[in-house]
Amino acid sequence: KNEVEQSPQNLTAQEGEFITINCSYSVGISALHWLQQHPGGGIVSLFMLSSGKKKHGRLIATINIQEKHSSLHITASHPRDSAVYICAVRGLSTDKLIFGTGTRLQVFP
Amino acid sequence: KAGVTQTPRYLIKTRGQQVTLSCSPISGHRSVSWYQQTPGQGLQFLFEYFSETQRNKGNFPGRFSGRQFSNSRSEMNVSTLELGDSALYLCASSTEQGGNSPLHFGNGTRLTVT
Repeated sequence: KNEVEQSPQNLTAQEGEFITINCSYSVGISALHWLQQHPGGGIVSLFMLSSGKKKHGRLIATINIQEKHSSLHITASHPRDSAVYICAVRGLSTDKLIFGTGTRLQVFP
Repeated sequence: KAGVTQTPRYLIKTRGQQVTLSCSPISGHRSVSWYQQTPGQGLQFLFEYFSETQRNKGNFPGRFSGRQFSNSRSEMNVSTLELGDSALYLCASSTEQGGNSPLHFGNGTRLTVT
């Protein structure tokens, strides 16, 4: 079993829909990152969380440390949100980043 | 401010050769980390440098090595290339070591080993 699990693996949405991507992890962590990767490879860091909730524009990230779970929400989705979203955690004992396998999101007009 | 710059963008090498990849961090960032991304294994941590010292290393063979210079620029080297080393190699910089600051990624170097 992977230490970081994401669901769903693939997600298709219509423009305007509310989207949720989930991340569960099994290790103690010091921080959790949500990353966005577009075709071509470039990765953009969306959020870094260690507790609570953060919001940036239409994106919201939450984390529940006790349940070892985080969610990334996209409100009013748009075709330009189409990308792979990757959850990564920094292990408390190893201080290394462990990555989920990513969620491929496609938003159609 | 210029972003993280990785060179070259694409590289084709033959099995058995060695390769050196370069990463220039955002000005003022002293931490540089390297990652390998393949379709089969996804993203995996290679190593992390802070102030010219390797502070952490992933589970990769000794053929993978790196270093960081006094200007925070970093290089990684892969010797005796294998077909399985074909991957996208990404570096990221941050202001602090460890997990205390957001990561800024470069566009990566795509290495193909034939």
